Amino acid sequence: GENVEQHPSTLSVQEGDSAVIKCTYSDSASNYFPWYKQELGKRPQLIIDIRSNVGEKKDQRIAVTLNKTAKHFSLHITETQPEDSAVYFCAAPLTGTASKLTFGTGTRLQVTL
Amino acid sequence: DTGVSQDPRHKITKRGQNVTFRCDPISEHNRLYWYRQTLGQGPEFLTYFQNEAQLEKSRLLSDRFSAERPKGSFSTLEIQRTEQGDSAMYLCASSLEGGRAFFGQGTRLTVV
Repeated sequence: GENVEQHPSTLSVQEGDSAVIKCTYSDSASNYFPWYKQELGKRPQLIIDIRSNVGEKKDQRIAVTLNKTAKHFSLHITETQPEDSAVYFCAAPLTGTASKLTFGTGTRLQVTL
Repeated sequence: DTGVSQDPRHKITKRGQNVTFRCDPISEHNRLYWYRQTLGQGPEFLTYFQNEAQLEKSRLLSDRFSAERPKGSFSTLEIQRTEQGDSAMYLCASSLEGGRAFFGQGTRLTVV
């Protein structure tokens, strides 16, 4: 069925270390993979996205990689800072409907000093 | 502020009452989405519009829920005969067709 699985559910890293969050999806027709960051009490904020015609995209300390064969994609945050602490959600359009995003269950990232 | 805006930000209602929420999308966006988010979960798709046409509704959307986008601009989401299980954050997002979706700040509904 329509499914996006996200791991881990919680992640604690020390400031300056890297963080990696992984998602798998079920629909091989999915072609767009965004990542959202949500701070407590705030809206989900789009931080990076990737389309299926590329395998990797980078924006400063944030990168996303996509493996279409394995149907998984990952968020990489390098040189983590306390302000990176938030819940991160991956998403994918499932059932062939490009606009309807199905979200993962979220990863709570805690960056400690 | 040219982002997606939602009103009200918070709503407390008694069980059985009707509530209506409003979403104003980014002005040039022709697609508008409603999602629901409960504590500790990701946003859950409810319905979406392209211009004024409602193109898809989730199976989760009971007949107590109705959404409109009469002129292809702002949208309203109405919940009739609210139940405690309706308590959640209701998020609106907008995009161009095939484009990135941007969320509003949400309306937090509490049914008592």
